[in-house]
Amino acid sequence: DQQVKQNSPSLSVQEGRISILNCDYTNSMFDYFLWYKKYPAEGPTFLISISSIKDKNEDGRFTVFLNKSAKHLSLHIVPSQPGDSAVYFCAAIVNRDDKIIFGKGTRLHILP
Amino acid sequence: KAGVTQTPRYLIKTRGQQVTLSCSPISGHRSVSWYQQTPGQGLQFLFEYFSETQRNKGNFPGRFSGRQFSNSRSEMNVSTLELGDSALYLCASSLNVAGGQETQYFGPGTRLLVL
Repeated sequence: DQQVKQNSPSLSVQEGRISILNCDYTNSMFDYFLWYKKYPAEGPTFLISISSIKDKNEDGRFTVFLNKSAKHLSLHIVPSQPGDSAVYFCAAIVNRDDKIIFGKGTRLHILP
Repeated sequence: KAGVTQTPRYLIKTRGQQVTLSCSPISGHRSVSWYQQTPGQGLQFLFEYFSETQRNKGNFPGRFSGRQFSNSRSEMNVSTLELGDSALYLCASSLNVAGGQETQYFGPGTRLLVL
């Protein structure tokens, strides 16, 4: 049973526009959610996290929104830049388990 | 500060063989986690070690094992390799036990191909 789902395998966005990456989850016990970015042939890089007690966290061009009632979170990148082209993984943690569960990733293409 | 290093970067094995992968965390980091990445399953958590003790384990068979040394370096072993074990194996380190507020730093991975 997939607890963290990224239903869009890929997304193409024009440079300068907003990129919105979505993630759904099924486990209401998740304490934290994280987003990672991965370039080919490199390990994932931590981007931004959000606690389950918050509904928004912002860091520069990256903002994560959490809708607990809908069990949905999204990552907004504004404005999108060519270097943002990568695979983005959504991940979730139940703190007492200290186990990170990842979604399958969404490949973001930033178009010139 | 040097990042997380993994050796070897690429490995080709045949079915039935065993393999050992190595991970050196960032200096001072005490937690090392291992993940498997495949195109079909995405990133999956294997296990986490902290201060030489396995803290947690994902849903993988007993053929997958690991250990951590006193210098926090970690090794992962896969015995009786199967074709489905072909994947990118990623190691990540963090200062303390991985959690929502603890940033993990990933290595470049070891790409294992089982023939």
